[in-house]
Amino acid sequence: SQQGEEDPQALSIQEGENATMNCSYKTSINNLQWYRQNSGRGLVHLILIRSNEREKHSGRLRVTLDTSKKSSSLLITASRAADTASYFCATDMYSGGGADGLTFGKGTHLIIQP
Amino acid sequence: DAMVIQNPRYQVTQFGKPVTLSCSQTLNHNVMYWYQQKSSQAPKLLFHYYDKDFNNEADTPDNFQSRRPNTSFCFLDIRSPGLGDAAMYLCATSRAVGTVQETQYFGPGTRLLVL
Repeated sequence: SQQGEEDPQALSIQEGENATMNCSYKTSINNLQWYRQNSGRGLVHLILIRSNEREKHSGRLRVTLDTSKKSSSLLITASRAADTASYFCATDMYSGGGADGLTFGKGTHLIIQP
Repeated sequence: DAMVIQNPRYQVTQFGKPVTLSCSQTLNHNVMYWYQQKSSQAPKLLFHYYDKDFNNEADTPDNFQSRRPNTSFCFLDIRSPGLGDAAMYLCATSRAVGTVQETQYFGPGTRLLVL
């Protein structure tokens, strides 16, 4: 079953603007990760945020995590045309039985218009 | 430097003809995963190896099998591919200690076409 749900499903903005994507999940997690995927390519890891962290930065990326609301957001500031891609959140659920795989949300398709 | 390598990048097979996809890693990670991603959908976990222990997802069809002969290599075998198995297959690795795993690193994927 789908753990993460992103919104919006698609987002189109002008180059230079900020892009915000949201992710909600259902069960307790160890950590939450954001990935980028260019069309027909593999997944590129962006940021991992642990369940005891509230905010994390990496370059133009800022990720927040609210475990009480079971939600996360990814902010891309000063967007560039090269940021055009699909963005997925993925949760590593605590199962107590060992490291499990990630459960991905449906993704947000981001288009940056020049 | 490539860290998770998948071969081939594109694979064409015939309906019902067994096919094997391969993945290798240079990260010395103890966990390796296989995901299936169909067009415009999210990746879906098929199974993973935690060291030598195989962990199958409950809804992974029996048609899909995996082998991990050593730390570096992991194979995905599709015994009798159907048209519905056409997808991108993604291999990933991570380092895990107990129940806590670190970042998963993905390979470029193998796109499978079934004729």
